[in-house]
Formats: sequence, C-alpha cells, structure tokens
Amino acid sequence: NAGVTQTPKFQVLKTGQSMTLQCAQDMNHNSMYWYRQDPGMGLRLIYYSASEGTTDKGEVPNGYNVSRLNKREFSLRLESAAPSQTSVYFCASSVQGQGIVREQYFGPGTRLTVT
Amino acid sequence: GDSVTQMEGPVTLSEEAFLTINCTYTATGYPSLFWYVQYPGEGLQLLLKATKADDKGSNKGFEATYRKETTSFHLEKGSVQVSDSAVYFCALGISGGGADGLTFGKGTHLIIQP
Repeated sequence: NAGVTQTPKFQVLKTGQSMTLQCAQDMNHNSMYWYRQDPGMGLRLIYYSASEGTTDKGEVPNGYNVSRLNKREFSLRLESAAPSQTSVYFCASSVQGQGIVREQYFGPGTRLTVT
Repeated sequence: GDSVTQMEGPVTLSEEAFLTINCTYTATGYPSLFWYVQYPGEGLQLLLKATKADDKGSNKGFEATYRKETTSFHLEKGSVQVSDSAVYFCALGISGGGADGLTFGKGTHLIIQP
C-alpha cells in the first residue's frame, strides 16, 4: 500500500517550458487535490477533484491545468512555466465526508524550480 | 474568507519541555480541524484531528481540543523529544465551503535541543 505517490521528485524548467506532474493514490479515495507550498505561506490549494470526471479551481489556479485521468490518477500541468511557479507541489487524497471534511493524505512532493 | 493563524516561530525548546503551539481560526461554518507535521524533505503527515466542538484529538503524546467559544485548536505535548523537531501546520476544512480543500496556517517550525 504505497498511499499517494508523485513523480518526479525534482524538476528544473526554463521559463516557457511545459511539464506535467503526476499523482496516483491506491487508497480508493474519491477526492484528490493539488497544493503548492511556498516559504512563509503554508499550503495553498491549486485545483481539486471531488470525484472522477470533475475538477474545480482552488485558491491559486492561474497558470495550471489538471486532469483526473481515472479514480487513481490526478495530474497537474504547467503549460508555460514562469519563475513565480517555483515551489514545492503536493498532491493529496481523501474519502468524501458525510457533511464533514475528512483528513487528507499527502504525497512526498515535487520540488520545481523555474529559471 | 476562512483563515488559520498560528505562531510562526521558530520555536526552540529543550528536550522534555512542555510544548504549546497556538492556533486560532476564522470560519463561516463549523469546520473540521487538523494538525499536520512535516519533517525535512517530506510531505505532510496527519498528526491529529477534531470534527466538532469540545472534541479532543490525540496522537503520539500530542493533544489539541476544539474550542468553539475561542475558535482555537492549540497543540500541546507534555514532554518533547529531539525527534519532534519539524514544522507543524494547523488546518481547517469546511464541507461545501467552495473549494472543499483545507485552509492551512503558515506553519510553526519547532526545534528541540538536547
């Protein structure tokens, strides 16, 4: 039971390049999330997917797109990377709560540097 | 909007000292509350949670009580160890509150000296 896995672990991009961050979970969770973590900012929600086939914007969606490929996989794409997107990206998943928000389980993160 | 405020640190303590990390929140409904811990180079791990007022979450000697009247969820531990050195995040989640993600505080860096 691997939990939440992310690839790659590290990536360096030049401004304007594109890339896709991959995330997969093996806990049969319906909901999946992408966050970014910046120094002194905590974690901020980029996009989330409440269930297979649905995606919604979070707090900071500009410059990103997502795809919920199936129940297990949720990818984050940067179409034209900018230095402001230098960050650590975390994927998370959770079961859907019944009127309450359930805990989320996080992957190990992808450290992205855009030069 | 919803928000979480926590002491940012770094907080430096000696081993076996008593720990309190303050967390207060602002929310438009009745949130679930969480403490996560992040060790260097790793992702976030759930430490404890509480889903309704007066609930006490506990794990690995850490405790926090959901105080609706003071909108607080302070993290405490009676005797810290060097291995507790990490960054601690307080977070809230509100069902149906739009993004349905968690709202995090900025994190508290805890350093325990032997």
